[in-house]
Order: sequence, then C-alpha cells, then structure tokens
Amino acid sequence: DTAVSQTPKYLVTQMGNDKSIKCEQNLGHDTMYWYKQDSKKFLKIMFSYNNKELIINETVPNRFSPKSPDKAHLNLHINSLELGDSAVYFCASSQESTGSYGYTFGSGTRLTVV
Amino acid sequence: AQKVTQAQTEISVVEKEDVTLDCVYETRDTTYYLFWYKQPPSGELVFLIRRNSFDEQNEISGRYSWNFQKSTSSFNFTITASQVVDSAVYFCALRRRSNDYKLSFGAGTTVTVRA
Repeated sequence: DTAVSQTPKYLVTQMGNDKSIKCEQNLGHDTMYWYKQDSKKFLKIMFSYNNKELIINETVPNRFSPKSPDKAHLNLHINSLELGDSAVYFCASSQESTGSYGYTFGSGTRLTVV
Repeated sequence: AQKVTQAQTEISVVEKEDVTLDCVYETRDTTYYLFWYKQPPSGELVFLIRRNSFDEQNEISGRYSWNFQKSTSSFNFTITASQVVDSAVYFCALRRRSNDYKLSFGAGTTVTVRA
C-alpha cells in the first residue's frame, strides 16, 4: 500500500490553464504539506495543513490554492498556469501530535507548462 | 531564521570509495531536528535518518554513517564502500520543534558513483 499517493504523476498543460494535483495519505497522519522542487532541485515548502487547518502559507502566488477536505487529503489547485510553475510538486505528511516529526513524501508530480 | 548549507554541489567517486557529504546548519533554537533524504534518479524522496538536537551520538546503518557535532553545527553523512545504486541527490534538512512544522532543505549534493 502506498503511504502518500499523488495523482497525476505527470502533468503537461498549456499556459493559462487551471489544473489540480491530488494527494492522499493512509498513514493516519494529522499534518500534510506541499513542497515545490524547482529545476535546480531546490525544495521549498508551500503549504501545510494540520487537522485540516492551514498552518503554513509561504510566499506563494494567490493562483495556488490548497484544499484539505479531510485529514487524509490535501489537494493543490493552480489557476492561470505560467511557465515558471513548471516544477516537481511533492506532497508529504507527518504526525505532529505525538512529536514523531517524521515526514513521508509522495513520489511527486512533474508539472510542465508549455 | 534557520538555514542549511550543503557546500558540495556534486561529488563523483569510483565504486568502493568512501564519500562524505557535508551539512552545516544555522538555527537559534535549542531544540531542533536534522534529517537526511535521498532522491534517486527515479525522483522519490527517501527518508534516511532523523536526529534530534539532544542526541549527539553518531549513528551507523549498514554502509551509511552520520556524524552530528553541535559545536560546529554540522551533521555530515558518509557512505562507505560506495555502490552505483548510491548515485542520487542527497538532501540535509532542518526543522524546529515549534509548531511551524516547516522542513528547511539544503540545496542538495549530487553523488555519482562510477563502476
């Protein structure tokens, strides 16, 4: 069983389109994240939700909107896609209430905007 | 603010050589956690180790070992007798124990092991 699963794995779309990436975790974790990895492999946090509440919202354009319908899901919707949005997006989860501070990452979604 | 520096961008070795990856961190917190992740060519992020700031014991796991030194704010990673399968990007990361949950990554070190 996949612990943190993201769909789709690859996404190619045109500038200006709106797209969503879905993430689900079956670990029972209470916190989920979105990280962005740019072309130079640099990883940076975008958002974090703890028990469906937004905890971290880094300097991310308003075109990016996360949604957490429940503790096991954290989706990322991107409006009006731009060339600079091309990157690999990783979903992750952790269990914060027990202080384990261990992060499990999904396999990533490679977004290419053309 | 917290920061992780991996000064080595790329390292290339021949199989069976040892390779050490440097990680230097900055934080004002007294309690914090340090991590190493491996990203093989397939792209996923694989957890290798977590170390909290209270525990300065070095750790060994098979061919992998970690040297944590608070005095120099370093958490270095050594692969002994490297193998081709060790070829990957390795990331060092830091998080505070506060409620910001943020994992701050270094820029990564690309390790290439040649047969």
